[in-house]
Amino acid sequence: ETGVTQSPTHLIKTRGQQVTLRCSSQSGHNTVSWYQQALGQGPQFIFQYYREEENGRGNFPPRFSGLQFPNYSSELNVNALELDDSALYLCASSSQNTQYFGPGTRLTVL
Amino acid sequence: AQRVTQPEKLLSVFKGAPVELKCNYSYSGSPELFWYVQYSRQRLQLLLRHISRESIKGFTADLNKGETSFHLKKPFAQEEDSAMYYCALSNRGAQKLVFGQGTRLTINP
Repeated sequence: ETGVTQSPTHLIKTRGQQVTLRCSSQSGHNTVSWYQQALGQGPQFIFQYYREEENGRGNFPPRFSGLQFPNYSSELNVNALELDDSALYLCASSSQNTQYFGPGTRLTVL
Repeated sequence: AQRVTQPEKLLSVFKGAPVELKCNYSYSGSPELFWYVQYSRQRLQLLLRHISRESIKGFTADLNKGETSFHLKKPFAQEEDSAMYYCALSNRGAQKLVFGQGTRLTINP
């Protein structure tokens, strides 16, 4: 059984650009959640997908959007990047109310 | 509002000493409480959850609904316990996690 994987590991973008982050969920998990972790802070919930439908959203603007595919992998898209979007982005897949986290993608916005 | 507070950003204790990481929460209803741990260069992983009532790596945590606390304890700290610890809560079944800011625990030899 493979764990949650995320790509890319690191990414550097400039203000105003768009970015797509990817996540492969753990085998058999049909729910994926995304979190943003700013430096020195705990992870903050962005949104969750269950069977390809959004199933809850945190306090993030609409320029943060996502997708879940039939194989339960997921994408996080961020448009019009701002400097404050620089953070570690974590993906987690769920089974029986337990979330299993990926290693994260470190996004730097210059 | 749902909130998790970890009052200590840094905690340093000597090997063999007891350790307690504090966590307080605010939530209307019956939340599920978790402790997650992140060792150096590793991903965030579940340490324990209140519903399991188990001891993992010698750590225990008791949910105190009256004090809205879920403190993590270990009677004898070991050097390998050095890590970042996050307390988190969720709605039962909703799975959205609300995290505290984390406590960096350092065990001195």
